[in-house]
Amino acid sequence: KQEVTQIPAALSVPEGENLVLNCSFTDSAIYNLQWFRQDPGKGLTSLLLIQSSQREQTSGRLNASLDKSSGRSTLYIAASQPGDSATYLCAVTGAGKSTFGDGTTLTVKP
Amino acid sequence: GAVVSQHPSWVICKSGTSVKIECRSLDFQATTMFWYRQFPKQSLMLMATSNEGSKATYEQGVEKDKFLINHASLTLSTLTVTSAHPEDSSFYICSARRTGGGTDTQYFGPGTRLTVL
Repeated sequence: KQEVTQIPAALSVPEGENLVLNCSFTDSAIYNLQWFRQDPGKGLTSLLLIQSSQREQTSGRLNASLDKSSGRSTLYIAASQPGDSATYLCAVTGAGKSTFGDGTTLTVKP
Repeated sequence: GAVVSQHPSWVICKSGTSVKIECRSLDFQATTMFWYRQFPKQSLMLMATSNEGSKATYEQGVEKDKFLINHASLTLSTLTVTSAHPEDSSFYICSARRTGGGTDTQYFGPGTRLTVL
């Protein structure tokens, strides 16, 4: 059974700081890994999707890496802004099912 | 990326009534869709796998008679919460599976917030 862990559970940083969110998974037989953002009371916004054959994906200030063999992914956010405050979820998909981590709640202080 | 919609985006209903939530893949056909629920301050948990033209597969602990799933076409799956109770209040999210070209990706809908009074 796939298990996904996200560390830290919560993170508070001052505006402008670069930060890294971590996601680890136990079963490396995955098709892809996705990072999502979720604002309070809202749905999921897909940020980055990394296929199993890829090592990283970039979108603006976001960069996600994937090391399938070690079961790890990181989401790097550069020059954080207060608008980045949200919960970030990673989900791994394998054998047709997606398993989510519990998320990291990020607060960026002005 | 592909687009998946859900309707309604939020619904409030009285205890004992039934509520239907629709999940549509707008620009691709999906033989498989998934339904998740999310309780406050918790992550998403898979409820069931919806298969076009056949019965849904439910995860352990999910009551199939309470959460009726119908996947009548390649672009539409519905989740009906029957005889809803306050403990069914939750955020329900669907995803549609897209395969092909060596990839296997789930695209998620925006979610439906259900509040049962």
